[in-house]
Amino acid sequence: EVQLVETGGGLIQPGGSLRLSCAASGFSVSSDYMSWVRQAPGKGLEWISVVYSGGTPYHAESVKGRFTVSRDTSTNMVFLQMNSLRVEDTAVYYCAKGGMGVWGKGTTVIVSS
Amino acid sequence: DVVMTQSPLSLPVTLGQPASISCRSSQSLVHSDGNTYLTWFQQRPGQSPRRLIYKVSNRDSGVPDRFSGSGSGTDFTLKISRVEAEDVGVYYCMQGTDWPRTFGQGTKVEIK
Repeated sequence: EVQLVETGGGLIQPGGSLRLSCAASGFSVSSDYMSWVRQAPGKGLEWISVVYSGGTPYHAESVKGRFTVSRDTSTNMVFLQMNSLRVEDTAVYYCAKGGMGVWGKGTTVIVSS
Repeated sequence: DVVMTQSPLSLPVTLGQPASISCRSSQSLVHSDGNTYLTWFQQRPGQSPRRLIYKVSNRDSGVPDRFSGSGSGTDFTLKISRVEAEDVGVYYCMQGTDWPRTFGQGTKVEIK
């Protein structure tokens, strides 16, 4: 069964850093592109990052220069390193496979002092 | 970036009646490979998004056939032929033709 499990969320102060992980099972993360999508409380969906099957990353302007997506094919995991966090980064963060036919349950990030 | 605009944003429906959601893109979603990458998602309360429809009109496995997608170019529609209680939630369209991926604002479907 294809499955994604996100971990690493939590409460962090503005300006802090957090690393989210997405563990994939049932397929190889090198076989497809992997995205991160977030959802602020009571708001809609926002795509923020992708790592292509070849490993190249790409980020939305809203997080460029602060967030970095990467993957580890040996552990079959995808990561989102989040630096210089802002209050407006508070959201549930989901990872999704390829054309977004598979999503994880998400991990919650709260940026607050 | 491609702007996706959904309407209506709120859709009260009667059980057993049809429902329709419109999604318009600010530019054509026809990819250079000839495909049109318009996707519909359902998000039930407290759950992760679930893909219903991809490439305009292709239903995902396990999606009831009362859901259908149509459209071309910049205008797309998601239809529910007969709304059931389990269809309550927010529906999003998303363009997958260009980066960054962009979503519509979401349409909240509720039972009257």
